[in-house]
Amino acid sequence: QSALTQPRSVSGSPGQSVTISCTGTSSDVGGYNYVSWYQHHPGKAPKLMIYDVTKRPSGVPDRFSGSKSGNTASLTISGLQTEDEADYYCCSYAGSHVVFGGGTKLTVL
Amino acid sequence: EVQLVESGGGLVQPGGSLRLSCAASGFSFSNYWMNWVRQAPGKGLEWVANIKLDGTEKYYVDSVRGRFTISRDSAKNSLSLQMNRLRAEDTAVYYCARGRGAIVINYFDYWGQGTLVTVSS
Repeated sequence: QSALTQPRSVSGSPGQSVTISCTGTSSDVGGYNYVSWYQHHPGKAPKLMIYDVTKRPSGVPDRFSGSKSGNTASLTISGLQTEDEADYYCCSYAGSHVVFGGGTKLTVL
Repeated sequence: EVQLVESGGGLVQPGGSLRLSCAASGFSFSNYWMNWVRQAPGKGLEWVANIKLDGTEKYYVDSVRGRFTISRDSAKNSLSLQMNRLRAEDTAVYYCARGRGAIVINYFDYWGQGTLVTVSS
């Protein structure tokens, strides 16, 4: 069982918005503003999409945004595109190490 | 272009050993913490170990401490993971990842494509 809880799957149609949640505790998500999100197409290298809760690395479209409230962080993808279909993982600093979520499969219908 | 290329995975019997390598290029290797992250079949990601810029500090997840050893060779821009006393639950794809963070290492900005380790008799 992963330290952070994510929904197993979410789906949306092209152009729509989806939000993926990531629930932890006050010892990880709620205790630090150090949440990151990764996009993973199977067989490829995971890609950093969001870090420090809300920051986007250079080259990541602004359709991807992050937020946090209490012990739950969220990744919102607006204007869904077919290439967004992938697995998404959240990650949080937990005091001496990082912990990941179990991953969410995004299907673009 | 930053590139991380893992190698060394394979099939090994329980109790056996394996050494993974990660060849880094496209950045100043000695300026970054480096990490190993793994993903067991059907499971989420799990941070395994990391090593400071100069190799003087090393940290491990509890489940591998005492069995795995992380090391780096800045002359060769290479990261390694020596895995001993392997268990079935170590079966996973192992990723090499560059660590970042303003105050603490808390995210990974570049990853390799991974190498599969299978522990089975």
